[in-house]
Amino acid sequence: GAVVSQHPSWVICKSGTSVKIECRSLDFQATTMFWYRQFPKQSLMLMATSNEGSKATYEQGVEKDKFLINHASLTLSTLTVTSAHPEDSSFYICSASATGTGTTFGSGTRLTVV
Amino acid sequence: RKEVEQDPGPFNVPEGATVAFNCTYSNSASQSFFWYRQDCRKEPKLLMSVYSSGNEDGRFTAQLNRASQYISLLIRDSKLSDSATYLCVVNTWEEYGNKLVFGAGTILRVKS
Repeated sequence: GAVVSQHPSWVICKSGTSVKIECRSLDFQATTMFWYRQFPKQSLMLMATSNEGSKATYEQGVEKDKFLINHASLTLSTLTVTSAHPEDSSFYICSASATGTGTTFGSGTRLTVV
Repeated sequence: RKEVEQDPGPFNVPEGATVAFNCTYSNSASQSFFWYRQDCRKEPKLLMSVYSSGNEDGRFTAQLNRASQYISLLIRDSKLSDSATYLCVVNTWEEYGNKLVFGAGTILRVKS
């Protein structure tokens, strides 16, 4: 079945630094990738949708200059949290979709900013 | 109003019990519907899609009522391993592609 690899699975960083999270579709070409954020005891909230080769579409309230998304190929999307602060600590999950494969989630990245 | 609303629970049930979860959605243009299961600190995993005709997968039965914008999930003969958070998910077509909207989840705890 369709597999999405997300890396790293957890990261601790200092306040003010940037963190990059990778999301790869391993056995299919993902026309669209999604990035979600989940705070404790809350639902997954869609942050942005990215289509290969075009700019990501951000949801209302998500700062595009803070959460940089790059979708350079059909198998790789990256999310960079720039100048991270403790309030950015969260569980970030990507998903990828393509015709015929539905939506497959990565295993998530737990970010802790100290 | 949230786009997808669920009772957060928790539902504490004994093994073997039957439990039902409900979900309502606000966007009448929503096209497809799912139940996902999420274990603590893990990614969501698709449990089943939901169809108007109702569908069953083993001990799990899902139902959709488009007129009422209501989705349900029934779990029969609960197992300890069913303990998880169950997410009601609605798929809507946006101009830039499909968009999955998640409910906040319903916590199920099955106890021996």
